[in-house]
Amino acid sequence: AQTVTQSQPEMSVQEAETVTLSCTYDTSESDYYLFWYKQPPSRQMILVIRQEAYKQQNATENRFSVNFQKAAKSFSLKISDSQLGDAAMYFCAYRTSYRSQGGSEKLVFGKGTKLTVNP
Amino acid sequence: EAGVVQSPRYKIIEKKQPVAFWCNPISGHNTLYWYRQNLGQGPELLIRYENEEAVDDSQLPKDRFSAERLKGVDSTLKIQPAELGDSAVYLCASSKGVARTEAFFGQGTRLTVV
Repeated sequence: AQTVTQSQPEMSVQEAETVTLSCTYDTSESDYYLFWYKQPPSRQMILVIRQEAYKQQNATENRFSVNFQKAAKSFSLKISDSQLGDAAMYFCAYRTSYRSQGGSEKLVFGKGTKLTVNP
Repeated sequence: EAGVVQSPRYKIIEKKQPVAFWCNPISGHNTLYWYRQNLGQGPELLIRYENEEAVDDSQLPKDRFSAERLKGVDSTLKIQPAELGDSAVYLCASSKGVARTEAFFGQGTRLTVV
């Protein structure tokens, strides 16, 4: 079974600075997706960024970028120019690709990292 | 485009009472998921529907939990009877297409069993 580990229960960053959140995962599959979700106090999970395992290029969405190391099974999230609105729980998640035969299509989440942004 | 809508937002019940949660997915999304999120944890899948068919309910405690998705649109998750350990946030999500690469989540229902 796939597992996702977030080793940082809490992180803090000064406004306008950069922070990196760590995530490692374990899988025997070669084709899958990785995600970072943001969960503010409103509880709604919001997709921040997505990475497809077969793509070597790291995904980028505005101030958010990932460092995807497939061999090391590492998927970290970098937030540049941090803003007060970035404060939230961040969850790393794994999902088997629909192209994989017999793979589960459920999202497997880590336990989350609470990000605090200091003004 | 309206997002995933869940109700109620909050529910407090006494143990052994029944409770039901409702979810309206994004229009056109054929896949619907129910997740449970315990305090301090990430969400865990309870059940996944493809249209009206439950295709993955291996994590659903079938002795007290039930779910349905009539006509392949709205879905209801029920607990009867509720136990103290069922206190959690129940999240509904939906996605569409074969790839289903992105799941959109509702705001969840926070259940407290006392």
